Amino acid sequence: DAKTTQPNSMESNEEEPVHLPCNHSTISGTDYIHWYRQLPSQGPEYVIHGLTSNVNNRMASLAIAEDRKSSTLILHRATLRDAAVYYCIGGDSNYQLIWGAGTKLIIKP
Amino acid sequence: ETGVTQTPRHLVMGMTNKKSLKCEQHLGHNAMYWYKQSAKKPLELMFVYNFKEQTENNSVPSRFSPECPNSSHLFLHLHTLQPEDSALYLCASSHSSGQGYSPLHFGNGTRLTVT
Repeated sequence: DAKTTQPNSMESNEEEPVHLPCNHSTISGTDYIHWYRQLPSQGPEYVIHGLTSNVNNRMASLAIAEDRKSSTLILHRATLRDAAVYYCIGGDSNYQLIWGAGTKLIIKP
Repeated sequence: ETGVTQTPRHLVMGMTNKKSLKCEQHLGHNAMYWYKQSAKKPLELMFVYNFKEQTENNSVPSRFSPECPNSSHLFLHLHTLQPEDSALYLCASSHSSGQGYSPLHFGNGTRLTVT
């Protein structure tokens, strides 16, 4: 059971980097670490995923600890449109993903 | 525009009504999913279809009946619902799990209220 732990909420200033932490100490060796976000009144949106190495895409970067017990989602320059609930999930297939409460990210202008 | 379209966006129904939720995707995906998102509860997977065949049913009550006529369309038929079934129902799609990991693409959901 790849349960994850995230802070309930975080605040950040606009145009500054944001580091969203996630602990997943029970993750198995084949479980990916997935990040999705959900903007108000919308369905969740895929952000990024990784297994062992750090990953970058146009939306964010994912830094994975060497022991894979934690990871950090990095938004390099937050905008007001990044205000959302961010979900960190472990699993090796979509139907095994166990969604938690996520972190509500508040961006201050 | 997410590529996954759900209709209607909002639905109010009585406990004796029968209604259906519709989901459509044109992303070329062959796996489709129904999720339930209740207030203050995590997202719950309800059903999974791969290549039109149901592969997961997470102990969902029989008053929810899914239908997948083809890889692009998914329905959730509702009958004799209870007030606690009021929630946001989300549809998602992806490439089949047999093709390596493929991210989920979600629609914006149907907000269901059972009175």
